[in-house]
Amino acid sequence: GQQVMQIPQYQHVQEGEDFTTYCNSSTTLSNIQWYKQRPGGHPVFLIQLVKSGEVKKQKRLTFQFGEAKKNSSLHITATQTTDVGTYFCAGRSNFGNEKLTFGTGTRLTIIP
Amino acid sequence: GAGVSQSPRYKVAKRGQDVALRCDPISGHVSLFWYQQALGQGPEFLTYFQNEAQLDKSGLPSDRFFAERPEGSVSTLKIQRTQQEDSAVYLCASSPLRGTQYFGPGTRLTVL
Repeated sequence: GQQVMQIPQYQHVQEGEDFTTYCNSSTTLSNIQWYKQRPGGHPVFLIQLVKSGEVKKQKRLTFQFGEAKKNSSLHITATQTTDVGTYFCAGRSNFGNEKLTFGTGTRLTIIP
Repeated sequence: GAGVSQSPRYKVAKRGQDVALRCDPISGHVSLFWYQQALGQGPEFLTYFQNEAQLDKSGLPSDRFFAERPEGSVSTLKIQRTQQEDSAVYLCASSPLRGTQYFGPGTRLTVL
């Protein structure tokens, strides 16, 4: 079945440093979504990417979808303590089925 | 407006006991999803509904797991004869058709 892997599993950064997480799917995706989960919380939707090679920005966050629609990345510039949490990518394999396959997640901790 | 709600928030069951977990989706959302999240892992798809129709139940781990959404709104996930490996957070999400999934706070199930 479809598998979605993320690296790294953990990332500790000094406040103000940049952070990147990478997501790779075993199959081509129709779209990919990114979620953030704070400790003890539930996943909160950040963004959806649909087009091959698409790049979207949300303030300090930059999201990319690969040309082959099998990989994606999330880059945070100048991290802040509010960025703490686990970032998940989640892929949808085809338009007919709405289910999401979540990645393994990258847990970000910030050193003040 | 109100988000997705789930009840109970916490459930402790003795091994072999049956449990029922409830999800109240956002009003008007056509699609409803159940995910299982083990500690330190990403959410794993269990099943989903469009209105009252269960379109995909490929993620249900065994025939002890059963989900229903009889009137196309509230959904119940039932686990029969619970086992220790069923201990996890069960997340419910709802969405407009092919839209963004909004997650509830989850039910943390502990099987002793």
